[in-house]
Amino acid sequence: SAVISQKPSRDICQRGTSLTIQCQVDSQVTMMFWYRQQPGQSLTLIATANQGSEATYESGFVIDKFPISRPNLTFSTLTVSNMSPEDSSIYLCSVSRSGEQYFGPGTRLTVT
Amino acid sequence: QQQVKQSPQSLIVQKGGISIINCAYENTAFDYFPWYQQFPGKGPALLIAIRPDVSEKKEGRFTISFNKSAKQFSLHIMDSQPGDSATYFCAASQNSGGYQKVTFGIGTKLQVIP
Repeated sequence: SAVISQKPSRDICQRGTSLTIQCQVDSQVTMMFWYRQQPGQSLTLIATANQGSEATYESGFVIDKFPISRPNLTFSTLTVSNMSPEDSSIYLCSVSRSGEQYFGPGTRLTVT
Repeated sequence: QQQVKQSPQSLIVQKGGISIINCAYENTAFDYFPWYQQFPGKGPALLIAIRPDVSEKKEGRFTISFNKSAKQFSLHIMDSQPGDSATYFCAASQNSGGYQKVTFGIGTKLQVIP
């Protein structure tokens, strides 16, 4: 399995500001993933972060809005930029290990 | 377009009963089918998974049934307990550029009543 922690666990932010979410994994992984889970909805992949290269974004998500850093094999950040109320969601960090995907506890973001 | 269709979206079952959640897919490139359990305020946790060369997998009270020809799979929770009350997501994954890309169903909110 994998032990994944995220900071912050929740935040309330004002429209137009940015929030950076941190994800820490207990041991090295090649790929890290960022998902969004809107209230009562399923999980949508935002991007895949590979250490040492640019993140790969899914359709509908762009780097200017969701910049990602991956400075080493155990850590990644996701920034939600210029936030609007539509960005209110749970943001989840995930890693793949031995073919299985494991998730962090999530960051619950509310934008007012 | 929803690649993995899941039903029902909500389910109420009495304690001791059987909970059944169904999923269907179209993409024959999917080669792994996990189920996740999510409690409020927590991230999804892997519950049980199956590969398409197997028709059934059982772990404790949880069973996956898989029908490759129909492209359908389901989760059965036997002797359902109030502690099973959670949201369940079926998923399907395929190899994409060296990693397994996972597509999730919409989720089923299960409530087990005493």
